[in-house]
Amino acid sequence: GNSVTQMEGPVTLSEEAFLTINCTYTATGYPSLFWYVQYPGEGLQLLLKATKADDKGSNKGFEATYRKETTSFHLEKGSVQVSDSAVYFCALSDRHNDMRFGAGTRLTVKP
Amino acid sequence: EAGVAQSPRYKIIEKRQSVAFWCNPISGHATLYWYQQILGQGPKLLIQFQNNGVVDDSQLPKDRFSAERLKGVDSTLKIQPAKLEDSAVYLCASSLVGRSEKLFFGSGTQLSVL
Repeated sequence: GNSVTQMEGPVTLSEEAFLTINCTYTATGYPSLFWYVQYPGEGLQLLLKATKADDKGSNKGFEATYRKETTSFHLEKGSVQVSDSAVYFCALSDRHNDMRFGAGTRLTVKP
Repeated sequence: EAGVAQSPRYKIIEKRQSVAFWCNPISGHATLYWYQQILGQGPKLLIQFQNNGVVDDSQLPKDRFSAERLKGVDSTLKIQPAKLEDSAVYLCASSLVGRSEKLFFGSGTQLSVL
C-alpha cells in the first residue's frame, strides 16, 4: 500500500540556518504529495503540496519538489526562524484523496 | 467560516469500557476522515467517508472500532471495548471532494485508557 518515510528527528537548528527534512514515498500510480505542519498547541494544517512530477510546492519560504525518479519530496528552507519550530509531516494521497502521513519530524529553532 | 468541530476535548476511561467521539465537518465538505495519532507518531487513517459511504476502512480495527456518518454530515467514532493501546489523540478532518484537496483538521479528542 501507499506509505511515506521521513527523516527521524528531532532536528535542532540555529536561527537563519538552512533546513532540509527528507521524505520518500512508496505508491502505486501517481500520488499527490503534501507537507503539513503542526505548531505548538495548534492543529495540523497544510503547508504546501505538489500534484505531479517536477512540480514545486512553496509557502512561507518553504519549498519541496516532487521527484518521481527518486520518489522523494524533501522539504527545504533557506533561513529558518524561531517561529518555524513545529512538527512537520510529509503525506501523500491517491485519486481517492486518502491522505497517509509520515511519522513527523520535530524542528526546534534556537535564537 | 467555522472549522471542524470535535467533542469531547478530553476523555479518560478504564480499559474494557466504551467511548464515543463526535465530529462535525466544515459545511459543504463531502469527505470526512478519522485519524488516530499516538504520541510521537504521525496520524494513522482509520476511516474515510465520502458523503455517508465508506471509501477506505482498511486500517480500522473492526472488532472494536466502529464509525458512522448518518445523512452525510456529522460522524461518530466508537470504541468498544477500549484497550490500553487505544490511548491516543483522535483527529477528525474534512475536505472537498477531489484528488488533491487539502484536509482541514479539528482540535482532536485526547483519549486516555487506564
